Amino acid sequence: GENVEQHPSTLSVQEGDSAVIKCTYSDSASNYFPWYKQELGKGPQLIIDIRSNVGEKKDQRIAVTLNKTAKHFSLHITETQPEDSAVYFCAASRVLSSYKLIFGSGTRLLVRP
Amino acid sequence: DGGITQSPKYLFRKEGQNVTLSCEQNLNHDAMYWYRQDPGQGLRLIYYSQIVNDFQKGDIAEGYSVSREKKESFPLTVTSAQKNPTAFYLCATSLAGGPDEQFFGPGTRLTVL
Repeated sequence: GENVEQHPSTLSVQEGDSAVIKCTYSDSASNYFPWYKQELGKGPQLIIDIRSNVGEKKDQRIAVTLNKTAKHFSLHITETQPEDSAVYFCAASRVLSSYKLIFGSGTRLLVRP
Repeated sequence: DGGITQSPKYLFRKEGQNVTLSCEQNLNHDAMYWYRQDPGQGLRLIYYSQIVNDFQKGDIAEGYSVSREKKESFPLTVTSAQKNPTAFYLCATSLAGGPDEQFFGPGTRLTVL
């Protein structure tokens, strides 16, 4: 069935280093790929998203790349800061059920000061 | 979290009891969703509603019920038929049709004793 795989499940980096989280999706018709950040005990918040007609999108220290051929997309965080520590989720839309997103299992990012 | 309210933040119930989780929004969004989150897992869709008086089952609807009598409200009832109801429940909204950003509430942590 449709699914989104996310790796790694945990990631520890030194402050100032870059962090990369990768996701692969199974439905080649997926056309919307958001990334959410979830802090402990809170609801997820959108940090960046990309649509299938775009290969890369940047917003300050955050960027997302999309490879439709390989069906994978990645989140890149540069110059990491301790406040970047959180759980990050990727998701992909299902075109035939366009209101629905399928979420990856999450990556716990720890930025060491 | 914006204009999405979930109450209460923590909820305790005895096994066999039905419990209703509240979700209210003032964003004037048409679509509303309920997700379940278990430790180390992604978000799984329980039910969603695109318009008032209409809702659809998600991937794990068994043991849950919803209603959408008002645009602002989308309560979720966890029934005694749900075998493992202890989880973190998240309500989300989106503007309307097609794949788009979903905004999440702060969540309700339900513990069944």
